[in-house]
Amino acid sequence: GENVEQHPSTLSVQEGDSAVIKCTYSDSASNYFPWYKQELGKRPQLIIDIRSNVGEKKDQRIAVTLNKTAKHFSLHITETQPEDSAVYFCAAQDNYGQNFVFGPGTRLSVLP
Amino acid sequence: KAGVTQTPRYLIKTRGQQVTLSCSPISGHRSVSWYQQTPGQGLQFLFEYFSETQRNKGNFPGRFSGRQFSNSRSEMNVSTLELGDSALYLCASSLQGALNEKLFFGSGTQLSVL
Repeated sequence: GENVEQHPSTLSVQEGDSAVIKCTYSDSASNYFPWYKQELGKRPQLIIDIRSNVGEKKDQRIAVTLNKTAKHFSLHITETQPEDSAVYFCAAQDNYGQNFVFGPGTRLSVLP
Repeated sequence: KAGVTQTPRYLIKTRGQQVTLSCSPISGHRSVSWYQQTPGQGLQFLFEYFSETQRNKGNFPGRFSGRQFSNSRSEMNVSTLELGDSALYLCASSLQGALNEKLFFGSGTQLSVL
């Protein structure tokens, strides 16, 4: 089955700097890769996603890149702000569409 | 449009008891899936339901079961609770559980087993 690894497990950056979180997956049949942000005590919220026919997608300060050959995808946050502090999860959807396999999460702290 | 709603928000049970959690998906969503979130294991897939049928199941013991009703609402049941079942149980919904569909989460039920 699918396996998703995520690095780093914790990340601290200064406000205004960029943050990059990387994920790798094992099943080459996976085609959809969402990213979720979970603030303390709140639900995971979808922040950006990418499909396998696209190499990069941007939404304001957030971007995701996908390398299907290498089976890895990354989340890039530019001009970080304190409200970006949260746990970020990457995920890969199985090839039936019914199950998502999540990475273990990255705790991002943006220091003022 | 209301989001995914889970009740109750918190539950405290003792070992050996059973518990039922409820989830109402976003209106129009017919696929409901359940995940267990723990600090050590992250988000683990439990099962997925569509049109009252379980289509997929994760690697959890038979004490974990679920069902879906004709209005797409879903319940999850855990019998003979163990200490290790303490976790945040998240429900998520999507339109049909098809490829490339966005998955939306509820706020979860925090279960504590004493």
